[in-house]
Amino acid sequence: QQQVKQSPQSLIVQKGGIPIINCAYENTAFDYFPWYQQFPGKGPALLIAIRPDVSEKKEGRFTISFNKSAKQFSLHIMDSQPGDSATYFCAARYSGNTPLVFGKGTRLSVIA
Amino acid sequence: DADVTQTPRNRITKTGKRIMLECSQTKGHDRMYWYRQDPGLGLRLIYYSFDVKDINKGEISDGYSVSRQAQAKFSLSLESAIPNQTALYFCATSAPFTNTQYFGPGTRLTVL
Repeated sequence: QQQVKQSPQSLIVQKGGIPIINCAYENTAFDYFPWYQQFPGKGPALLIAIRPDVSEKKEGRFTISFNKSAKQFSLHIMDSQPGDSATYFCAARYSGNTPLVFGKGTRLSVIA
Repeated sequence: DADVTQTPRNRITKTGKRIMLECSQTKGHDRMYWYRQDPGLGLRLIYYSFDVKDINKGEISDGYSVSRQAQAKFSLSLESAIPNQTALYFCATSAPFTNTQYFGPGTRLTVL
């Protein structure tokens, strides 16, 4: 079964808008929640990550909001730019020594 | 020079052929991973290795095999390629007990 459910599959926003991508998980043993960004023709790269002991983390224009009780986390991109157009993956990892589990990805297009 | 390299970058082959995809890294990481990316399905883990003597199956290992020739090298083989193995394949690395996975540029494989 899918361990991390990501939505929407695709998203189009105007420049300056605030796209929001959501992820939900079931396993409470997850203890690390990163977001990866992938540009066309490139491999994914870590964008920002959060642990469940905090509810929000900001890095520049990117913010993760984390709701432990709802088992959901989301990525917000403030003042989005055409250069933010990419595929975004949420992920999660069990505590300890395990690989990341990825969501299915969201293809974001920011139009001028 | 890139820290994680994959060869070949593109490959077209025929059904039934044996194919090997290679991954090399200069990051000095012990852990290496092979993922497959398909549109709408995200990144799915095929195999992973936490050191030279450690090989583990991932979510979708059927039809694939791997070889960890050295700390820096991790190869993925398709013994008898089939069309539904047409996909983008990524290698990734990480250091022990750290969270960030570093991805290579990918290999686009087409099986006719």
